[in-house]
Amino acid sequence: KNEVEQSPQNLTAQEGEFITINCSYSVGISALHWLQQHPGGGIVSLFMLSSGKKKHGRLIATINIQEKHSSLHITASHPRDSAVYICAVRAGSYQLTFGKGTKLSVIP
Amino acid sequence: KAGVTQTPRYLIKTRGQQVTLSCSPISGHRSVSWYQQTPGQGLQFLFEYFSETQRNKGNFPGRFSGRQFSNSRSEMNVSTLELGDSALYLCASSLAGDSGNTIYFGEGSWLTVV
Repeated sequence: KNEVEQSPQNLTAQEGEFITINCSYSVGISALHWLQQHPGGGIVSLFMLSSGKKKHGRLIATINIQEKHSSLHITASHPRDSAVYICAVRAGSYQLTFGKGTKLSVIP
Repeated sequence: KAGVTQTPRYLIKTRGQQVTLSCSPISGHRSVSWYQQTPGQGLQFLFEYFSETQRNKGNFPGRFSGRQFSNSRSEMNVSTLELGDSALYLCASSLAGDSGNTIYFGEGSWLTVV
């Protein structure tokens, strides 16, 4: 069974700060997803990674397959980035295993 | 292009009743998966369907069931509701459900069991 650990659980940042959220998993995977959930419930897929690094606007996601570790970075954070960020991994089956999420609050 | 649509958005049921939730995937997507989200357990996988076949099932009791229709629309059913079934139920769709596909989530159905 794949265990997914995220850190930190909660994060408060000042607007403009550089933010890093970490995700570690216990077994080999075929893909890792970073998801964003705003209050109200809806989830948006930010990135899907199987290797290397991806960038979209101010968001950067990296994965180290050997270390079983991924990071999500937010540059020049903004209050609208306030949300819960969730890491999810797929280990070959059609089932996703989720981390507990990181609640990010960005203060103006 | 319409996103993933879930109905109803909010519902209140009494213990012992049953509930059916519906999910319409993005047009062309053949994989639909269901998840339960609670404050204590976070997001948990319920089941995944592809072309009307259940391909994988999470660790939930038999009271939780689902199906997928030929047009890829899916329903999940929970029978004999318990207080602990109160949760946000999320549906997601993707082209084929394998690791190469991006997944798209609906807004969810908030179920309260009283």
